[in-house]
This record gives sequence, C-alpha cells and structure tokens, in this order.
Amino acid sequence: AQSVTQLDSQVPVFEEAPVELRCNYSSSVSVYLFWYVQYPNQGLQLLLKYLSGSTLVKGINGFEAEFNKSQTSFHLRKPSVHISDTAEYFCAVSENSGNTPLVFGKGTRLSVIA
Amino acid sequence: GAVVSQHPSWVICKSGTSVKIECRSLDFQATTMFWYRQFPKQSLMLMATSNEGSKATYEQGVEKDKFLINHASLTLSTLTVTSAHPEDSSFYICSATKPGTGGAYGYTFGSGTRLTVV
Repeated sequence: AQSVTQLDSQVPVFEEAPVELRCNYSSSVSVYLFWYVQYPNQGLQLLLKYLSGSTLVKGINGFEAEFNKSQTSFHLRKPSVHISDTAEYFCAVSENSGNTPLVFGKGTRLSVIA
Repeated sequence: GAVVSQHPSWVICKSGTSVKIECRSLDFQATTMFWYRQFPKQSLMLMATSNEGSKATYEQGVEKDKFLINHASLTLSTLTVTSAHPEDSSFYICSATKPGTGGAYGYTFGSGTRLTVV
C-alpha cells in the first residue's frame, strides 16, 4: 500500500516570493506521482505528474516538481507566487500498473499574502 | 483532453431521504471510476472503486448499503446516498481515468457535489 505525507498543513508566503510545498511518499512498488490544486468548493485540477524519465517535471501555472527516489520525495515549487495561487494543494500517488486509485496526502494550504 | 462532469454541484435534502449523484466521462470511456469523500479542511478519502458492469469495491468502513454505486455504462457512474443523515453531509468527488493507461493518463476529477442533510 502507498501513503503520502505532506509535511506542512499551512504555508503562508508573500506575493512574488518563492515557495516549496513538501511531499514524501511510501510505497513497496513503483508509483506515479501527482500534484493537484483545489479551489474552494471545486474539484481537483492537475498541476503536474511524474510517470518516468526526467525527474524534474514542469506543470501548469509555473509550478514544477522534482522526483527524488532516494529520498522518496516529490516537492512542488514555484519561483514567484501570485495571489491567485492561494488554494489547497494535494500530493497523490498511485501504483504504476492497472487502474488503481489515487492515495492523497492531507493537503497543504498555500496562502499568498499581498 | 478528458472531461468528467459531476451533477449536481450542490444539494440540500431532508434527513431520511435519498440523494443520487451522477458522474459522467464526457469524451472518453471510463471502465473504472473512483468516489471520494472530503470533509471540511481535510483530504480526499477513497470510498469505493466503481467498475463498469460489476459490483463496486468499497473501502473498509464504508457502508455499501448506504452508499450505493452503480456503473451501468462506460460513461456513467452514480452514487446514491440512501436514508441520508446529517453526518453524511460532505463534499463528494468522483474521478476517472482512461482504461488501460493506469495512472499514466492522469486522473480527471468531477467538480464535486456539496451534500447538506438537514
């Protein structure tokens, strides 16, 4: 079984500052890794995903994440945040075979301060 | 792209009544859909895996008689909350992925349904 740990429940950051949202995972099998963003009372929007290949993954809205197998991490970063990035961010993992469900971390609330 | 439509977006019902939530894959066939529940300020918890043409697989602790899941076609899965009670109030979200791709295609989510039982 897989598990995901998001180390920070809340991250406040000033506008135009860089941010890193941390994610660690645990799995006995090879996995796919995902980051989703959720705005209030909405579903989830995919920011980026790691399947294989290059460990640096670029996503939408200027976000990127780096897969580190030795540290079992998949931290999300953005060099300069905007007010509109204020939202809940979820890291998730799935097995890389079959139609298995996503397992989510508890989420990180990113609050961008003007 | 892949689009998943979830309806209704929000519903208020009286205690003891049943509510049906629909999840449709609009531009692809989804042999497997997943239903999640999200409490305020918490993460998504998998309730069940819905497979077209067969019985759903429920996670431990989820009452299958209360949360009826039907996946009668390759584009539609429904979740019926039977005899709803206030503690069933929550945000319910479905997701689907293209068959045969595992998670490689990515999981597309519906916009969620806010259920309030009064």
